[in-house]
Amino acid sequence: AQKITQTQPGMFVQEKEAVTLDCTYDTSDPSYGLFWYKQPSSGEMIFLIYQGSYDQQNATEGRYSLNFQKARKSANLVISASQLGDSAMYFCAMREDIYNQGGKLIFGQGTELSVKP
Amino acid sequence: NAGVTQTPKFRILKIGQSMTLQCAQDMNHNYMYWYRQDPGMGLKLIYYSVGAGITDKGEVPNGYNVSRSTTEDFPLRLELAAPSQTSVYFCASRQWGLADEETQYFGPGTRLLVL
Repeated sequence: AQKITQTQPGMFVQEKEAVTLDCTYDTSDPSYGLFWYKQPSSGEMIFLIYQGSYDQQNATEGRYSLNFQKARKSANLVISASQLGDSAMYFCAMREDIYNQGGKLIFGQGTELSVKP
Repeated sequence: NAGVTQTPKFRILKIGQSMTLQCAQDMNHNYMYWYRQDPGMGLKLIYYSVGAGITDKGEVPNGYNVSRSTTEDFPLRLELAAPSQTSVYFCASRQWGLADEETQYFGPGTRLLVL
């Protein structure tokens, strides 16, 4: 079974508008972390935002926010005021059982975001 | 700090050849990881290490070997290259003990083509 599911292979958004990238996860571990990474066409992996399973509030980092709905097991990334430079591949990832699993990440298949001028 | 460095950036191998992908980090991180990314896909974990002398298999370890003799270096060895190993390989590291993000820092990747 897929542990991380990103159902949107590709998304388009108009510049300056907000966009939501979906991510659902599957785990029975009470302690886990959720990450979003950006991969531009140059190929590097850029960390964007993190949400811990025990965090009470949704994480925010500048224009990025994470809409964390624990009961629904979803961790959607919201990008506000999209910019042309936001065009990239976006990956959701999960880290289970931080104390015993070496902190390894499980990645979704990614969503390719294209920002239109 | 250079962060996480990987060499080479790109390599073409013939089937059956062997090579070592180098990874080094200068952040004194305990944990290091090797992932592969096939075209249009997310990253999959090959091997990881929680400290010098300790390594463990990830999701897709077959055809690879690793060693961790120092904190800084975590080389990945391909013994008998196969076309299925054509991929982009990412090395990553992180520090155990950070209370919050525990984010992994990624190297720039090595693009490998096996023909």
